[in-house]
Amino acid sequence: GENVEQHPSTLSVQEGDSAVIKCTYSDSASNYFPWYKQELGKRPQLIIDIRSNVGEKKDQRIAVTLNKTAKHFSLHITETQPEDSAVYFCAASRSGGYQKVTFGTGTKLQVIP
Amino acid sequence: NAGVTQTPKFQVLKTGQSMTLQCAQDMNHEYMSWYRQDPGMGLRLIHYSVGAGITDQGEVPNGYNVSRSTTEDFPLRLLSAAPSQTSVYFCASSPGTISGNTIYFGEGSWLTVV
Repeated sequence: GENVEQHPSTLSVQEGDSAVIKCTYSDSASNYFPWYKQELGKRPQLIIDIRSNVGEKKDQRIAVTLNKTAKHFSLHITETQPEDSAVYFCAASRSGGYQKVTFGTGTKLQVIP
Repeated sequence: NAGVTQTPKFQVLKTGQSMTLQCAQDMNHEYMSWYRQDPGMGLRLIHYSVGAGITDQGEVPNGYNVSRSTTEDFPLRLLSAAPSQTSVYFCASSPGTISGNTIYFGEGSWLTVV
């Protein structure tokens, strides 16, 4: 089955700096890569996703990149703000009908004001 | 839409007790699932359902049962609670579109087994 590894497990950045979280996956048939943000005591919520037919996707201060050859994808947050502090999970799955989604182990991001 | 609703939010159980975590969704999603979240281990799939009357095991199914009698409801039963089942449980649903399986989570249930 799919295996998703996520690094780093914790990340501290100064407000205004950029943060990068990296994930690798094992199943070459995976083609859908979502990222979830989980604030303390809350549910995970989708913040951005990318499909295998594109290499990069941006949404305001966040962007995801995908390298299918190397089987890795990354989340980039620019101009970090205190409200970006949360746990971020990457995930991977195939698409079409129901497909199990495999999550990474999470990155706790702390943005220091 | 309320989305995915799960109850209770907090529960303390004694070892050996049984209980049911309730989950309901009003988005008419075909797919529903249960995850547990433990520190450093991410979100692990317990059981899932691809439609009413159909369930299957996920990554960590032991000690749990599920049923799906309607599209809306997907309860999770702990048969005989053990301290190893202390965790945060999330019910989730997804439309399972052809382009990707976006998951919508409930608010979570914090379970402590003593």
